[in-house]
Amino acid sequence: QITLKESGPTLVRPTQTLTLTCTFSGFSLSTSEVGVGWIRQPPGKALGWLALIYWDDDKRYSPSLKSRLTITKDTSKNQVVLTMTTMDPVDTATYYCARWAKLDSGSYSFDYWGQGTLVTVSS
Amino acid sequence: QSVLTQPPSVSGAPGQKVTISCTGSNSNIGTSYDVHWYQQLPGAAPKLLIYGNDNRPSGVPDRFSGSKSGASASLAVSDLQAEDEAAYYCQSYDSRLSGVAFGGGTKLTVL
Repeated sequence: QITLKESGPTLVRPTQTLTLTCTFSGFSLSTSEVGVGWIRQPPGKALGWLALIYWDDDKRYSPSLKSRLTITKDTSKNQVVLTMTTMDPVDTATYYCARWAKLDSGSYSFDYWGQGTLVTVSS
Repeated sequence: QSVLTQPPSVSGAPGQKVTISCTGSNSNIGTSYDVHWYQQLPGAAPKLLIYGNDNRPSGVPDRFSGSKSGASASLAVSDLQAEDEAAYYCQSYDSRLSGVAFGGGTKLTVL
């Protein structure tokens, strides 16, 4: 059974750095053609991709947020960490982590999602 | 603005069929990149509904089907049921982003 769960602060002050942890089970990030991604969703708005990390430590970032994001993995702990600097109220959103896997179609998709964690940015 | 374009809303009566479009460009769907669809029920996390353009994960009813043609894709929901009321998102890979592209989402209302 594959599960993912996000953890981190629910309230962040403007200009602070947000650190979110995705703890997963049921798969390993040492397995080829597997990765973990972060996606966020402001209240009432659409999904927005933030970052991906692959089994081989290849990393991809949303171009519009690249300068503020860092994604890392700890394979031994089954965790992926996302940091986002210089937080602003517009960054208030539910943040999801999801498994990024190459399925039998031959392409990658987010096949398992965490429940999400709401992060509010406010002074 | 989302890289992939979806209608904000669609609606249909129980038992009817609705289609949700997803329009991209030659840097994503119009190239060889597949389209995936996610269903987000109210208050819940998204769930993979269709992958690789037209494949259903185990447990997804065959009332849901996907297709792709050129730089566009479609999700069809037949025999609409009340529990299908949700937001639906298309997703592909974009070579200009070197990353993931989502559509803006479509809210399906069952009348």
